[in-house]
Amino acid sequence: DAGVIQSPRHEVTEMGQEVTLRCKPISGHNSLFWYRQTMMRGLELLIYFNNNVPIDDSGMPEDRFSAKMPNASFSTLKIQPSEPRDSAVYFCASSSWTSRQETQYFGPGTRLLVL
Amino acid sequence: AQKITQTQPGMFVQEKEAVTLDCTYDTSDPSYGLFWYKQPSSGEMIFLIYQGSYDQQNATEGRYSLNFQKARKSANLVISASQLGDSAMYFCAMKNNQGGKLIFGQGTELSVKP
Repeated sequence: DAGVIQSPRHEVTEMGQEVTLRCKPISGHNSLFWYRQTMMRGLELLIYFNNNVPIDDSGMPEDRFSAKMPNASFSTLKIQPSEPRDSAVYFCASSSWTSRQETQYFGPGTRLLVL
Repeated sequence: AQKITQTQPGMFVQEKEAVTLDCTYDTSDPSYGLFWYKQPSSGEMIFLIYQGSYDQQNATEGRYSLNFQKARKSANLVISASQLGDSAMYFCAMKNNQGGKLIFGQGTELSVKP
C-alpha cells in the first residue's frame, strides 16, 4: 500500500507568489494533518481534518494560509502571498480511527524556499 | 497544557551498543498516547513505537523498546545493538486521545560511531 504522497517535493518561489502544496493520504485513513517544521519552532501542527472536515486550524499562522480537503483522498495547503519566513518543510500525515493508537504516518514532506 | 521535553540535543553511541534517549511529558489528561519518530538526514518522519497511557507493559518493536514510567512522566526510547543506520534525529511526541494533533519534543540527534 502506498504511503502518504506529497507534491511537490521541493518548491522555490519568490516572495509574493502563491504556493500550493498537495497531499494524498493513505487510502482508508479518515484523519489528515498538516505540520510545519522549522529550526526555530520545530514541528508544529497547522491544521487537521477528520472525515474531510477541518477540526483544529488554530496553528494556521495567518490569513495567508488556507487548507482544503475536498474529498477523502486529497488535500491542499495554500500560501498566498508567500513570504520568506514561510520557508520550511511542510509535512502531511494521515491516521485512522479504527486503529487504537491512531498512529500518524507522514509523507516525505515539501521543502519550501521563499526568496 | 501538554508539553514534551527532550533534554539531550545530541547523543553519541558506539556501534552495537545500546542507547537511551530521554523524553519527559506533561499532561493533565488521564488518557494519552506517546510516540517516537525517527528523522534521518533524508528528511522523512518514520514511526517507530507507540505506548498508550493505560498499557501495562512497556512497548517493544524489534530493537526499539520504550521505558515507560508513568509516575515520573517519562517515556524513554531504548535502541539496542545500535547500527550505523540508526544515526538520525529522534522525536518524542504525545497525543491526547480526545484530540488529533501530536505535540513534539525538540528532538535528539543520535550519532552512531563505527
